[in-house]
Amino acid sequence: KAGVTQTPRYLIKTRGQQVTLSCSPISGHRSVSWYQQTPGQGLQFLFEYFSETQRNKGNFPGRFSGRQFSNSRSEMNVSTLELGDSALYLCASTLDPSGTEAFFGQGTRLTVV
Amino acid sequence: KNEVEQSPQNLTAQEGEFITINCSYSVGISALHWLQQHPGGGIVSLFMLSSGKKKHGRLIATINIQEKHSSLHITASHPRDSAVYICAVRETSGSRLTFGEGTQLTVNP
Repeated sequence: KAGVTQTPRYLIKTRGQQVTLSCSPISGHRSVSWYQQTPGQGLQFLFEYFSETQRNKGNFPGRFSGRQFSNSRSEMNVSTLELGDSALYLCASTLDPSGTEAFFGQGTRLTVV
Repeated sequence: KNEVEQSPQNLTAQEGEFITINCSYSVGISALHWLQQHPGGGIVSLFMLSSGKKKHGRLIATINIQEKHSSLHITASHPRDSAVYICAVRETSGSRLTFGEGTQLTVNP
């Protein structure tokens, strides 16, 4: 069974640009969560989607948004990029939001210059 | 104070040593995860616990719900165990994960 696939793996963007990251969960998993990892803040929750609906949102500005498609693939978008948005963005898939085991992707490393 | 605290932050061991990493949390949880992160970023889920003890190969994880404490043990450590180990809890009030700051483990040959 294929794991969680995140694309792209690496990305370099300029301040002010926008970026879209993609996450394909494990087949059959319908819940996708996104996390940001920075050296200073560690891993922080961004948002969670289940059945195309955002269930939870972390404490991030409105520049961070996401969506989930009917095939459970999810995208997150960051607009008006800032230097501080440089981070590893990880997504995790679970069967559903009830607390089953989470499987993580390899992450997308975003560098904003 | 963080909701999830790990100790130690850094740990250096010699190959073959028994290793323990601790995790304490302050919120009610439905599950606790132990995760492993190698350089390059990818995270692997080692265990998900809601009670008791689980064992997988040389890795053992325990949790004490009353004391809000979990431990990850590695027996007969090996240099390939070198990684960051992260404790994460799923609160009873929701489905998001809250993470500890991680423990950087280095096992020297």
